[in-house]
Amino acid sequence: NAGVTQTPKFQVLKTGQSMTLQCAQDMNHNSMYWYRQDPGMGLRLIYYSASEGTTDKGEVPNGYNVSRLNKREFSLRLESAAPSQTSVYFCASSEHAANYGYTFGSGTRLTVV
Amino acid sequence: AQTVTQSQPEMSVQEAETVTLSCTYDTSESDYYLFWYKQPPSRQMILVIRQEAYKQQNATENRFSVNFQKAAKSFSLKISDSQLGDAAMYFCAYRKRNTGNQFYFGTGTSLTVIP
Repeated sequence: NAGVTQTPKFQVLKTGQSMTLQCAQDMNHNSMYWYRQDPGMGLRLIYYSASEGTTDKGEVPNGYNVSRLNKREFSLRLESAAPSQTSVYFCASSEHAANYGYTFGSGTRLTVV
Repeated sequence: AQTVTQSQPEMSVQEAETVTLSCTYDTSESDYYLFWYKQPPSRQMILVIRQEAYKQQNATENRFSVNFQKAAKSFSLKISDSQLGDAAMYFCAYRKRNTGNQFYFGTGTSLTVIP
């Protein structure tokens, strides 16, 4: 089925460890996004990539890096995990046209201890 | 900056009844899009309905409809004939017309459906 695939679905890290969240879409979408979801905060944008080869910071980029590897893949890296990064992370993709909604991945629940 | 406000953290409705979830937004743009997303316990985000700001007619998708008041910057979601499967977190979202722009999400409303 077409869609956005995120891996892993769950992860527990120790403070200071690093990891990369993977995201791939097979809908030929130009734009891809990483959000984090925290209780009472809604979804907040970490980074986005409007098109292949470009990335931009969102609302909460500190502590994260991203790579738009190709049109399909957009990864999120935590270089040195902190407890404040405990959250549910969503990858999403979209057509350029603003009337399109996002297609979301199934999310990654990350716990940093 | 765009902001989206959902003032009802939690709502409940009796099965088969109607419920309205509120959303207001702040923008200086005249052309934009508004969305409602549903997030059931499975965590998957599902698009429920979308509204184009330049259209006066309110969008409808089966039992889901919106009341879009552009001047008041209000975008409420009405769920008719509520079903147990409607229980979820609902997020209102805003997106500017320019291509590639991000969505801005509200903080969500948790809807409980009482049998």
